[in-house]
Amino acid sequence: GNSVTQMEGPVTLSEEAFLTINCTYTATGYPSLFWYVQYPGEGLQLLLKATKADDKGSNKGFEATYRKETTSFHLEKGSVQVSDSAVYFCALPNQAGTALIFGKGTTLSVSS
Amino acid sequence: DVKVTQSSRYLVKRTGEKVFLECVQDMDHENMFWYRQDPGLGLRLIYFSYDVKMKEKGDIPEGYSVSREKKERFSLILESASTNQTSMYLCASSQDRAPNTGELFFGEGSRLTVL
Repeated sequence: GNSVTQMEGPVTLSEEAFLTINCTYTATGYPSLFWYVQYPGEGLQLLLKATKADDKGSNKGFEATYRKETTSFHLEKGSVQVSDSAVYFCALPNQAGTALIFGKGTTLSVSS
Repeated sequence: DVKVTQSSRYLVKRTGEKVFLECVQDMDHENMFWYRQDPGLGLRLIYFSYDVKMKEKGDIPEGYSVSREKKERFSLILESASTNQTSMYLCASSQDRAPNTGELFFGEGSRLTVL
């Protein structure tokens, strides 16, 4: 079935540093890919998505490109802020397309 | 503003107790989901429902049941709580029948401790 693997955390950065969080997937066909974010004490919320190969999703300065050649959907941001401190989850639909499968999450901590 | 509300943020229960976790959404969404979130394991799907009185098992349904009597409400039931069910429980909803392109909206979570 479909699965997703994302880099282990925690990731600790200084403000204005460049961020990359790696995500690779295994899937039948070319499903949509998602990044969700969970801020402290809150539920998850959609950060960005891409629905087909070579699509780039973007939001709040974050970007991720759907690359079918490398089966990857890495999350990037050019200059992180303290307010970006959160847990980030890569996700894709299960093989039946009935629910989302989430990666284990990567904790990002940004200090000023 | 869209909203998924989980009735209890924190619960402490004893082994063997019956536990109800309630979730209500105000977006008239068709689909509702229960996940549990554990450190190092991420989110794992327990049950989901795509219509009233319908339910489907997720990846880890053992020890849980669900109820969806009304479209807006999806309850997770632990018939006899055990310590390995200590976890954060997240409820979510989505409009699309298949969430391939739709967005999941999450509640803030219910942290359950079973002693």
